[in-house]
Amino acid sequence: SQTIHQWPATLVQPVGSPLSLECTVEGTSNPNLYWYRQAAGRGLQLLFYSVGIGQISSEVPQNLSASRPQDRQFILSSKKLLLSDSGFYLCAWTEGNTEAFFGQGTRLTVV
Amino acid sequence: GQQVMQIPQYQHVQEGEDFTTYCNSSTTLSNIQWYKQRPGGHPVFLIQLVKSGEVKKQKRLTFQFGEAKKNSSLHITATQTTDVGTYFCAGPMGTYKYIFGTGTRLKVLA
Repeated sequence: SQTIHQWPATLVQPVGSPLSLECTVEGTSNPNLYWYRQAAGRGLQLLFYSVGIGQISSEVPQNLSASRPQDRQFILSSKKLLLSDSGFYLCAWTEGNTEAFFGQGTRLTVV
Repeated sequence: GQQVMQIPQYQHVQEGEDFTTYCNSSTTLSNIQWYKQRPGGHPVFLIQLVKSGEVKKQKRLTFQFGEAKKNSSLHITATQTTDVGTYFCAGPMGTYKYIFGTGTRLKVLA
């Protein structure tokens, strides 16, 4: 069966520090991969999606970037975090226009 | 840009009362999905609707897709405390993008 792993679960980082969040999917090939961000008590904002290795589409231009070095690995990065980057980051995968499966999420607090 | 809005933003109900959340898209959707996110958790898929005017039921939950495929609703009959959470609709915008609605946070008072 398919599973999605996302880590770390929580992270506290100082302003200006780098960020790397990793997401891996098991049990499927060539998934569509997504990064969403959710501010406290708010909806899900699509940040990036990828339909294949090295293919990244950005939805929100900001100081975040994403990479897909392997078929089932999706990484969210930042060179210098801002206070406004705090939030709940969720990785998800789909096969075409089917249901999205979400990871457990990373709760990021920038201090 | 393309948007998916939900109303209400918050809803507090007494246990046993009914609850409805409405989802409206600025564009026609090929399908619409509904998710539930428990407090502190991640969204979990509930259902997908594809056909115009489609109605699907899951126990006390009734999902409806509008005739124009631009709106949808989720109705919960006789809410229970286990229904607490935020309910999101989501629609594909283009081939691969999923845009989530703004969500409706449901609180059930025992």
